[in-house]
Amino acid sequence: GAVVSQHPSWVICKSGTSVKIECRSLDFQATTMFWYRQFPKQSLMLMATSNEGSKATYEQGVEKDKFLINHASLTLSTLTVTSAHPEDSSFYICSALGTGTYEQYFGPGTRLTVT
Amino acid sequence: AQKVTQAQTEISVVEKEDVTLDCVYETRDTTYYLFWYKQPPSGELVFLIRRNSFDEQNEISGRYSWNFQKSTSSFNFTITASQVVDSAVYFCALSDLNNTDKLIFGTGTRLQVFP
Repeated sequence: GAVVSQHPSWVICKSGTSVKIECRSLDFQATTMFWYRQFPKQSLMLMATSNEGSKATYEQGVEKDKFLINHASLTLSTLTVTSAHPEDSSFYICSALGTGTYEQYFGPGTRLTVT
Repeated sequence: AQKVTQAQTEISVVEKEDVTLDCVYETRDTTYYLFWYKQPPSGELVFLIRRNSFDEQNEISGRYSWNFQKSTSSFNFTITASQVVDSAVYFCALSDLNNTDKLIFGTGTRLQVFP
């Protein structure tokens, strides 16, 4: 149990375009999901906390207008990178918080390359 | 402020050697959780252990063991008789229970096990 999927697993897009990444909890409901970004050989940096039915909470330094987060249901959160630039190229990982467990279940990640 | 320090950036060992990955944390909370995750080259985070701040018992799971020392704010991870498949980046993380349970990750330790 406690499986989280991400789609797509990798994507290449041109500079200036927008890309949407989906994060789904497959066998449980998650009121809270998290979005992380990981640059090569670096740690995971939390970008935002996504709460079902409300606005996401962004970490300091993360542009909310550039990284749009929507958590419209208890099993789906989406991250849209708008007007992508090469510096947005990174590994994006989502996680879903299990109810009452204090444990986050991580998705397999999405590798974004902006050319 | 919460912080996780993994001072070892990279460790190389030969197969069958024992290796210990260090993790030191800082928090003002009295209740918190500590985690270890493994990130193989594929990128997907693999959950290894979660430890409650009130439970200082050491834990052993197969070749893996964890030493939680509250007095020194450390949560070290030992792999006994290492194998090539153990090669990965290992992250220690601390949960911020006062802030939507978000995880604070250390910078990770890259372990390379050579045959």
